[in-house]
Amino acid sequence: EAQVTQNPRYLITVTGKKLTVTCSQNMNHEYMSWYRQDPGLGLRQIYYSMNVEVTDKGDVPEGYKVSRKEKRNFPLILESPSPNQTSLYFCASSRTGDLSNQPQHFGDGTRLSIL
Amino acid sequence: SQQGEEDPQALSIQEGENATMNCSYKTSINNLQWYRQNSGRGLVHLILIRSNEREKHSGRLRVTLDTSKKSSSLLITASRAADTASYFCATDRNSGGSNYKLTFGKGTLLTVNP
Repeated sequence: EAQVTQNPRYLITVTGKKLTVTCSQNMNHEYMSWYRQDPGLGLRQIYYSMNVEVTDKGDVPEGYKVSRKEKRNFPLILESPSPNQTSLYFCASSRTGDLSNQPQHFGDGTRLSIL
Repeated sequence: SQQGEEDPQALSIQEGENATMNCSYKTSINNLQWYRQNSGRGLVHLILIRSNEREKHSGRLRVTLDTSKKSSSLLITASRAADTASYFCATDRNSGGSNYKLTFGKGTLLTVNP
């Protein structure tokens, strides 16, 4: 089954403790992206990757890092999490980076709480 | 600022009724997409309409696009309780060359009561 898998689905942690949210897709997609979803603010893009070893900042990249060493994986790293990063995070992928002409496939989300 | 804005923010109807949601945007687009998000789940792509199309159908979904008014509408006919979800429009914006980014609106929360 074609899917985008995120782990963990839920995480409660403390300020400053490094964490990684993993994302994997099995569709051989070139493009992958991370979003955060906050009440009243909608979905905002954090980072995206057009292909292996190619990453770029989205609209709200501060406090986050990503890497794309393999085509299928696109982990999101919070080196020193802070409470304002408490949010619902989504990983998404699409066949190519031409998002105008094709759908994005989303994972089921990771609910992150930073105390 | 948000490119796409859905209206209304929330809509509650009875099963069997039709539901209409609207999306307005500010700048020119190439295509517009609609997504659904069930509670606690990721977004699911519903339909894509190109800027040279005025209407598109997919099952019980009907999407219209009026580029002169910079607006789109999503109509769900004969709604079911399972249609209860948030619905988002996503508009593209050129991020350089042939690459585009999607901007999502804040969504319309549709509740279909049995």
